[in-house]
Amino acid sequence: DAGITQSPRHKVTETGTPVTLRCHQTENHRYMYWYRQDPGHGLRLIHYSYGVKDTDKGEVSDGYSVSRSKTEDFLLTLESATSSQTSVYFCAIKQGTASETQYFGPGTRLLVL
Amino acid sequence: GENVEQHPSTLSVQEGDSAVIKCTYSDSASNYFPWYKQELGKGPQLIIDIRSNVGEKKDQRIAVTLNKTAKHFSLHITETQPEDSAVYFCAARMYSGGGADGLTFGKGTHLIIQP
Repeated sequence: DAGITQSPRHKVTETGTPVTLRCHQTENHRYMYWYRQDPGHGLRLIHYSYGVKDTDKGEVSDGYSVSRSKTEDFLLTLESATSSQTSVYFCAIKQGTASETQYFGPGTRLLVL
Repeated sequence: GENVEQHPSTLSVQEGDSAVIKCTYSDSASNYFPWYKQELGKGPQLIIDIRSNVGEKKDQRIAVTLNKTAKHFSLHITETQPEDSAVYFCAARMYSGGGADGLTFGKGTHLIIQP
């Protein structure tokens, strides 16, 4: 699992509430990613980070923000959760610029009621 | 942006037979193509990958082929076993010139190995 943990693993919340998902890595990797997985859509990139405090948007970033204040943690925040954000969220890491392989965490299953 | 199409969405084969999953991509600048296997309730796991300067790569029962001209790549699994049953995703690297490039995924193929 490339030393990646995600928390919480499962969460149920209500529409309009803020939600923060955490991705933690233990191997000092520079690049971190957040994807969401929905039936019929595969995995889609939400945001990514290329260093502490360096982040950028992916293809489905609307309604999400991220922060990376230290190398090991990459946080994904839903400021005001909506039912369309019900999904499984995966964090991934990439070891460095010369590496192309992304390794995925175990995922967080989020249900927005 | 990049678009990856994957076929079929479901594939059922007899144990011991071969399985082939095909993907096409749209961005000729893409240069890295991984394949992931995902079991129920788990994160995707890399099983094989190929770079655009290589036409074929093999790892035991698994092989990937790439045709850059036609912009398609395929996963081949030979001598299928029950543990090969899973969802398989192809992906292409969205090349932006930097090192942080994300992946664009196909929608997945549910591979079912019939005993």
